Amino acid sequence: DAKTTQPTSMDCAEGRAANLPCNHSTISGNEYVYWYRQIHSQGPQYIIHGLKNNETNEMASLIITEDRKSSTLILPHATLRDTAVYYCIVRGPIIQGAQKLVFGQGTRLTINP
Amino acid sequence: SAVISQKPSRDICQRGTSLTIQCQVDSQVTMMFWYRQQPGQSLTLIATANQGSEATYESGFVIDKFPISRPNLTFSTLTVSNLSPEDSSIYLCSVGNQGYEQYFGPGTRLTVT
Repeated sequence: DAKTTQPTSMDCAEGRAANLPCNHSTISGNEYVYWYRQIHSQGPQYIIHGLKNNETNEMASLIITEDRKSSTLILPHATLRDTAVYYCIVRGPIIQGAQKLVFGQGTRLTINP
Repeated sequence: SAVISQKPSRDICQRGTSLTIQCQVDSQVTMMFWYRQQPGQSLTLIATANQGSEATYESGFVIDKFPISRPNLTFSTLTVSNLSPEDSSIYLCSVGNQGYEQYFGPGTRLTVT
């Protein structure tokens, strides 16, 4: 699985959009970009994933660059409850047996009132 | 989504003893995984629990230290044997089917004295 690089920490004001970058320059053509977050003392929570198109769900948006070497997770209106460690993970297709998730160090996002 | 429970939620154990952690899912799942999260660190995959066969261990983890059982599609146990203070961590169970999401349990916080 391709390696990812994320900033160690970020701050964002409550109510503003939080934009979390991730570099995955060695990503292969069939590998997906996943985002999970871990709120303090809880298990990680799935947020969103994508292959090459931008994706949006009720939690966030995922913007993947055209060359797929980087992506940005966007939390449109951050709240204090979004304070967490955010993990960007690259994983191959499950159908090809790429089942496990390999976690990096993630970005510690702090939402400030 | 899958609802995952782990028992115990936390424990304090003496050096040299063992702790068995249970993971129960509210529905049948194809894949079950065990992760370790050492203090202040990210998650590290210990092994994939295979139903009806031996677990598949990641590099650096061995069956003698971390025996795993998976008797059916909703249940698995992880035993951490011959405990030392370095085993003090949060141990997390996660599950997935052939879909894209993986769900995590709340974790078991182990302290070894």
